[in-house]
Amino acid sequence: DAGVIQSPRHEVTEMGQEVTLRCKPISGHDYLFWYRQTMMRGLELLIYFNNNVPIDDSGMPEDRFSAKMPNASFSTLKIQPSEPRDSAVYFCAIQQTSGGSYNEQFFGPGTRLTVL
Amino acid sequence: QKEVEQDPGPLSVPEGAIVSLNCTYSNSAFQYFMWYRQYSRKGPELLMYTYSSGNKEDGRFTAQVDKSSKYISLFIRDSQPSDSATYLCAMSEQAGTALIFGKGTTLSVSS
Repeated sequence: DAGVIQSPRHEVTEMGQEVTLRCKPISGHDYLFWYRQTMMRGLELLIYFNNNVPIDDSGMPEDRFSAKMPNASFSTLKIQPSEPRDSAVYFCAIQQTSGGSYNEQFFGPGTRLTVL
Repeated sequence: QKEVEQDPGPLSVPEGAIVSLNCTYSNSAFQYFMWYRQYSRKGPELLMYTYSSGNKEDGRFTAQVDKSSKYISLFIRDSQPSDSATYLCAMSEQAGTALIFGKGTTLSVSS
């Protein structure tokens, strides 16, 4: 977990409220991924960025979800308005692909979101 | 049908047992095959990765990939209570793309 800081670690909110999840990579990377984990569906990609540019957002469930990466050191995932079915653990992961060999995706500790 | 199928378990074994975890997949373009371990309330951590087909060994862990059968395995020898976790298989077509995960198998090793 040392390569990625996520905040908050836990979030409990009421349906209809806006939720903002934050990811701060510590180590070098050129890719940043947002995943969501639920018991029913497992770990699924929401969106990923390459050098701060969104590459694939096909996993974003609907227009209520948006993600930004204003610089290499920060990314946000926003849900507005939130719904109970958004309750899940949200992970940020980073990867550096330079050097010609495979480099692992480092996952953050996750944000556990509960929408009441 | 999901791209990656994994038996969720749970799997309970005594200490010292050999554990076999498996995944099947449908996308023949997958080239990178990973096993992640996830402890409760933590993020997944890479355990092993294999490029294309073949075997890879690291201590008590062995990963196997059979691309012709679209089947991957992770073997754990001399299992320890500290191996108790959820094991997730993951795959990707290229190094800089998203991982496609299995749902994970929960393993419990009793002492």
